[in-house]
Amino acid sequence: SAVISQKPSRDICQRGTSLTIQCQVDSQVTMMFWYRQQPGQSLTLIATANQGSEATYESGFVIDKFPISRPNLTFSTLTVSNMSPEDSSIYLCSVTGTGNQPQHFGDGTRLSIL
Amino acid sequence: RKEVEQDPGPFNVPEGATVAFNCTYSNSASQSFFWYRQDCRKEPKLLMSVYSSGNEDGRFTAQLNRASQYISLLIRDSKLSDSATYLCVVNIGGGSYIPTFGRGTSLIVHP
Repeated sequence: SAVISQKPSRDICQRGTSLTIQCQVDSQVTMMFWYRQQPGQSLTLIATANQGSEATYESGFVIDKFPISRPNLTFSTLTVSNMSPEDSSIYLCSVTGTGNQPQHFGDGTRLSIL
Repeated sequence: RKEVEQDPGPFNVPEGATVAFNCTYSNSASQSFFWYRQDCRKEPKLLMSVYSSGNEDGRFTAQLNRASQYISLLIRDSKLSDSATYLCVVNIGGGSYIPTFGRGTSLIVHP
């Protein structure tokens, strides 16, 4: 399976600031996703990162708050904007091929907002 | 009703026990199914895909029941290292890939 590098692995940020998380894959992948996992909860899909076009956001998530880029088939970024303590979470990128193949996840970014 | 439901547990079992988890899904058009394992504060890792005919990987057996819309995971001869949260993932939707995660079932294997 693809090797997925996610940076940073963790960060502590001040409220009102923004943080960009990077996801780099060692091979071209068709689909990339961004998830959030709050403490004690399951994963919640934020958006599907589309190569060369705007991301597809799930209900409850908007581009102004979580802008996503995907300039090519191996790289994507997620920005968490104007952060508040409620944004403290683990953010995960995942990738998959075509069809019904399983996803594989990056190590995650553990974000704490003070 | 949630699209994918799991009993959160925890399931607390002794080493060597056999334990089974179920996961129900609501959309009959669901096409692919997976079990993931997630250790505390780690990313989910694929444990196994679930095939229509059922499949086995060592101590782990996965089964799919389309008529009743559930999948199951059976763990035989539990080890301490099996302690984790097990996530059920269902790909819901016709031609598009829309993965949906269950909330996970917590397993604790004790000596």
